[in-house]
Amino acid sequence: SQQGEEDPQALSIQEGENATMNCSYKTSINNLQWYRQNSGRGLVHLILIRSNEREKHSGRLRVTLDTSKKSSSLLITASRAADTASYFCATDRGAAGNKLTFGGGTRVLVKP
Amino acid sequence: NAGVTQTPKFRVLKTGQSMTLLCAQDMNHEYMYWYRQDPGMGLRLIHYSVGEGTTAKGEVPDGYNVSRLKKQNFLLGLESAAPSQTSVYFCASTLDTLFYGYTFGSGTRLTVV
Repeated sequence: SQQGEEDPQALSIQEGENATMNCSYKTSINNLQWYRQNSGRGLVHLILIRSNEREKHSGRLRVTLDTSKKSSSLLITASRAADTASYFCATDRGAAGNKLTFGGGTRVLVKP
Repeated sequence: NAGVTQTPKFRVLKTGQSMTLLCAQDMNHEYMYWYRQDPGMGLRLIHYSVGEGTTAKGEVPDGYNVSRLKKQNFLLGLESAAPSQTSVYFCASTLDTLFYGYTFGSGTRLTVV
């Protein structure tokens, strides 16, 4: 079973707009991570947020984590056509750590 | 610095055939993983290793075996391929799961006919 559930499953926006996607999970975590996957390629690590952190930024990316609600969000600001990809959240779970459990992903299409 | 290299990139097998997928990393990472990705789905963990000489089962280990004889290599074997094993296989590695993300290979697309 998947630990993370992304919402929405798909998102279509215009270049320059912001894209927001959410991830919910079920059990306690050590950290939560976001990855990007371009079509036919491997996953690329974007950002890691630890369970004691609430917000992290990396360039145009902003990630929040709410452990009380067991949820996280990824915001991409001022999107570009090159941001078109699938985005996955993944969790490193507490005592069952040392491995990541991935959600089903959000497919993002940025139209020029 | 090549990162994580997977071979082969593509393979077509007949049902019942065997094969080995090779994953090699040159980053001195302790942890290595094999995932499979099916259309429209996220990644599911097959097997993983927390160090040279160790392996452990993931979420979907049946039909697969692994070995980590050298720190830099993690092999995934299919002893008797089945059509249900048609998938894209990704290898990943990391230095430490608490503080670092994974580095992924580019994948192996396997079709079992």
